[in-house]
Amino acid sequence: DAMVIQNPRYQVTQFGKPVTLSCSQTLNHNVMYWYQQKSSQAPKLLFHYYDKDFNNEADTPDNFQSRRPNTSFCFLDIRSPGLGDAAMYLCATSRGGTGGSEQYFGPGTRLTVT
Amino acid sequence: QKEVEQNSGPLSVPEGAIASLNCTYSDRGSQSFFWYRQYSGKSPELIMSIYSNGDKEDGRFTAQLNKASQYVSLLIRDSQPSDSATYLCAVNEEYGNKLVFGAGTILRVKS
Repeated sequence: DAMVIQNPRYQVTQFGKPVTLSCSQTLNHNVMYWYQQKSSQAPKLLFHYYDKDFNNEADTPDNFQSRRPNTSFCFLDIRSPGLGDAAMYLCATSRGGTGGSEQYFGPGTRLTVT
Repeated sequence: QKEVEQNSGPLSVPEGAIASLNCTYSDRGSQSFFWYRQYSGKSPELIMSIYSNGDKEDGRFTAQLNKASQYVSLLIRDSQPSDSATYLCAVNEEYGNKLVFGAGTILRVKS
């Protein structure tokens, strides 16, 4: 089955210790997204790639970076995690373009910062 | 500021009843509208998409869209305890490939 995969599902890191979350997709979608979701809140878009074009949200902290080395993979790097970065991180994909705005989410990575 | 508004709930309905979830949006240029279901601790799951005014039915789910009123709704017929979840309304931005999400409505179906 075509799908969006995220690893790890649970990540514990120490305050200030860099962490990388990964996402892969077998849907061959053009667009990949990273969201942060905290309890009882809507998913908050951090950035997205349309193919290799990177689009950063204006309010995404510099502490968050992303890489998309190929169509299938996308990474979220948190350079110096703070306690406020503890959240669920969601990767999503879409075909993009006209009529291609349906987004499909991976299972998420729950990040704990100690 | 593009916004999607939902009543946070919780909306409590008895098993077998119809649950009605509502959403309003601010961007008149939006063309695509989605409902996601999110169980506690899980990721959002796409359950309905609608693009034209009127109703769209899929099994027990019916999505309704009224672009003139900037209003989207989701009806769940014969509600089951397994339908208990948070339902997120999402609307595409007129330009680009982004969705704006509402904060979600918590639905509780009591057996």
